[in-house]
Amino acid sequence: EAGVTQFPSHSVIEKGQTVTLRCDPISGHDNLYWYRRVMGKEIKFLLHFVKESKQDESGMPNNRFLAERTGGTYSTLKVQPAELEDSGVYFCASSQGSFASYEQYFGPGTRLTVT
Amino acid sequence: GESVGLHLPTLSVQEGDNSIINCAYSNSASDYFIWYKQESGKGPQFIIDIRSNMDKRQGQRVTVLLNKTVKHLSLQIAATQPGDSAVYFCAENGIGNKLTFGGGTRVLVKP
Repeated sequence: EAGVTQFPSHSVIEKGQTVTLRCDPISGHDNLYWYRRVMGKEIKFLLHFVKESKQDESGMPNNRFLAERTGGTYSTLKVQPAELEDSGVYFCASSQGSFASYEQYFGPGTRLTVT
Repeated sequence: GESVGLHLPTLSVQEGDNSIINCAYSNSASDYFIWYKQESGKGPQFIIDIRSNMDKRQGQRVTVLLNKTVKHLSLQIAATQPGDSAVYFCAENGIGNKLTFGGGTRVLVKP
């Protein structure tokens, strides 16, 4: 069974440009999470989808970030316009359920570099 | 706000020795903790978990200890192997399966 996949693996863009990250969860996983790790800091939660609905978006840093999950399958995270402080690694995870007993499976991450 | 943090950023250990990675948390209401291992180019991978009604849990070569009195947990790796070289994170699993991570400790295994 395929795990969580993310695309691209690495993106280098200039400040002010737009970037869209994609996450494909494990098939059948209704719960999808976005996290990010920026410049030497800990991995931080961004938001949580249950199917196509945003369950919790308390970690989204500002309105330059837009996450979507149309159809409840894959998800995209768009950063527009990108700023230098957005550089980091963006992880996606999926799980079958939203209770703590359901393991989250992480993708390999997308490394975003904003120059 | 609540946070989960680590004491040591890098741990260098001789192959075959035991490794101990420490983690502190601030939210006394936290009741479920997970240790993750992240290898280069990969995402965090679940190693072992523990609930607050336990003090100790053992897996294959790994043991997690939880001290609720001082809000501290540790991960012990027995007979550390080269494949154990990675970054290790502790995380608190909260409402909605939302994870709050610590800063990470890099473990380097010397041959």
